[in-house]
Amino acid sequence: AQSVTQLGSHVSVSEGALVLLRCNYSSSVPPYLFWYVQYPNQGLQLLLKYTTGATLVKGINGFEAEFKKSETSFHLTKPSAHMSDAAEYFCAVSDRYGGSQGNLIFGKGTKLSVKP
Amino acid sequence: NAGVTQTPKFRILKIGQSMTLQCTQDMNHNYMYWYRQDPGMGLKLIYYSVGAGITDKGEVPNGYNVSRSTTEDFPLRLELAAPSQTSVYFCASSPLGTSGGVFYEQYFGPGTRLTVT
Repeated sequence: AQSVTQLGSHVSVSEGALVLLRCNYSSSVPPYLFWYVQYPNQGLQLLLKYTTGATLVKGINGFEAEFKKSETSFHLTKPSAHMSDAAEYFCAVSDRYGGSQGNLIFGKGTKLSVKP
Repeated sequence: NAGVTQTPKFRILKIGQSMTLQCTQDMNHNYMYWYRQDPGMGLKLIYYSVGAGITDKGEVPNGYNVSRSTTEDFPLRLELAAPSQTSVYFCASSPLGTSGGVFYEQYFGPGTRLTVT
């Protein structure tokens, strides 16, 4: 079965510093890969996704992620953190060949804090 | 467009009570999903539907029931509430799941926070 591991349940960075949130998946076949953001008391919003093509994917709010098949990773980065980036971030996968339902499997989430 | 709306926002239930969590979308999406989010555990799929009249179980369906009589609505029913069902529940919708190598984005509602005591 598919699984997603997010390293670090909490990450704290200073404003202006690099943001790096780690995500690894387990699958013999590369799945579809996603990053979602959840602001306090809100639903999830899609940041970016990888389905095919270029392995470096750019998303909203200056975030990007790189799919590395050899490392089964899809880490999320942002060069310079902003206070408004404080939120919880979820990595998710969907089985590429398991059917057309589009069911997502989520990691446990990483809460990002940004210090002034 | 309102997108995906969920009611109520908050609810406290006593053990053994029943309730229905409402979910409505106005985007004419075929696919709808119910997730639960527990602290430190991410989201887990409870049930999903690929169209009116069609529903199927997800990863954690026990203790829940769903129906899909219209495209717009996908209510989630708890028949005998248990403390283990204390969670935040999210409904989501998408035009399709995957088709032709394209994965269609899921749009999430704001959630319902349920406490069972």
